[in-house]
Amino acid sequence: NAGVMQNPRHLVRRRGQEARLRCSPMKGHSHVYWYRQLPEEGLKFMVYLQKENIIDESGMPKERFSAEFPKEGPSILRIQQVVRGDSAAYFCASSPGDYSNQPQHFGDGTRLSIL
Amino acid sequence: GDSVTQMEGPVTLSEEAFLTINCTYTATGYPSLFWYVQYPGEGLQLLLKATKADDKGSNKGFEATYRKETTSFHLEKGSVQVSDSAVYFCALSDLSTGNQFYFGTGTSLTVIP
Repeated sequence: NAGVMQNPRHLVRRRGQEARLRCSPMKGHSHVYWYRQLPEEGLKFMVYLQKENIIDESGMPKERFSAEFPKEGPSILRIQQVVRGDSAAYFCASSPGDYSNQPQHFGDGTRLSIL
Repeated sequence: GDSVTQMEGPVTLSEEAFLTINCTYTATGYPSLFWYVQYPGEGLQLLLKATKADDKGSNKGFEATYRKETTSFHLEKGSVQVSDSAVYFCALSDLSTGNQFYFGTGTSLTVIP
């Protein structure tokens, strides 16, 4: 399967712990996007990354949240000291990044539950 | 800035009814437009796209026409099925703003037998 791979599919954390969500883009894609979807709500943009660069993080909360897309390996969305309000589905998408207006391809998401 | 405005839901239709979900956009350049569908518990899947004015995207009986004059990209289907029950997202990509994508808030559709 050459699609966008996210893991884990489900993640349970206690308040105060750290959550690390991973995303491997489609083969040949160099741009990664992270979104958050709260229950019964739409998709909220969080951050847009290229390899080793954050292009747009205007949707990221100012504290506790960080994202990276290293030269090697998957993109990581990291949430420190999680709180109940962080419970949501987190989706990753990727695109070729060749400025051809190709659609984003989505992973199946990570469902984060905070106890 | 760029944005997408979608018809609010939820929408409930009987099987074989006609579906329209409205979508309008604001863009600084010449965007490409997309419709995505999300089934329960899954990620978003591309349903159809159009890359320039007057293009019609179509897939699985769904259609949408890129209307530059009305800045719209309404989704239509002539006869919906129960299996079409999902959340539908309108989106745009505008090269003038880099490779950023803008999504609507989503419209939930439930089709009842």
